[in-house]
Amino acid sequence: NAGVTQTPKFRVLKTGQSMTLLCAQDMNHEYMYWYRQDPGMGLRLIHYSVGEGTTAKGEVPDGYNVSRLKKQNFLLGLESAAPSQTSVYFCASSPRAGGATDTQYFGPGTRLTVL
Amino acid sequence: GIQVEQSPPDLILQEGANSTLRCNFSDSVNNLQWFHQNPWGQLINLFYIPSGTKQNGRLSATTVATERYSLLYISSSQTTDSGVYFCAVEDSGGGADGLTFGKGTHLIIQP
Repeated sequence: NAGVTQTPKFRVLKTGQSMTLLCAQDMNHEYMYWYRQDPGMGLRLIHYSVGEGTTAKGEVPDGYNVSRLKKQNFLLGLESAAPSQTSVYFCASSPRAGGATDTQYFGPGTRLTVL
Repeated sequence: GIQVEQSPPDLILQEGANSTLRCNFSDSVNNLQWFHQNPWGQLINLFYIPSGTKQNGRLSATTVATERYSLLYISSSQTTDSGVYFCAVEDSGGGADGLTFGKGTHLIIQP
């Protein structure tokens, strides 16, 4: 049981390049989330999904797209990277069956630098 | 949206000391979690505690939902407790809006 995994761990892009971050979870959780963390800040929600085939916008969705084609995977795409997207990206998942099952479990993060 | 404020922003203690970290939030919540972000950046779940009191070893947490605050207690601090402690909440307005994080308390435990 690996929990939540993220690929890649590190990436450097040039302005205007595109890339996809992959989040995978093996806990059969319904809900998945993408957050970004900037220096000295807490995490901010980018997009989330309440189940396979669904996505919704969070607090800071501009410049990102997401897809949830399979229940266990949640992809975050940057179509045209900008230096302002330099950040550490965290994925999380949750079963959300009420009570303590609303706990979110986080992956190890992806450190992205856009030059 | 809901606001989360954590205090103090920074805390430096000697090994063995006790500490109390505070989290204030601006609206009613149905999820409140405490995390420890270690020096390698990993986020570690400490507590799911939208109300009440929980304890896990040297750590304990209390949330007083009616007064909109939560406290994290660390006793007999160890150097491995160093890192950033985040409080994160989800308001009870419904839906799956994700967690709103505070800016964290940066804790340094000196040997």
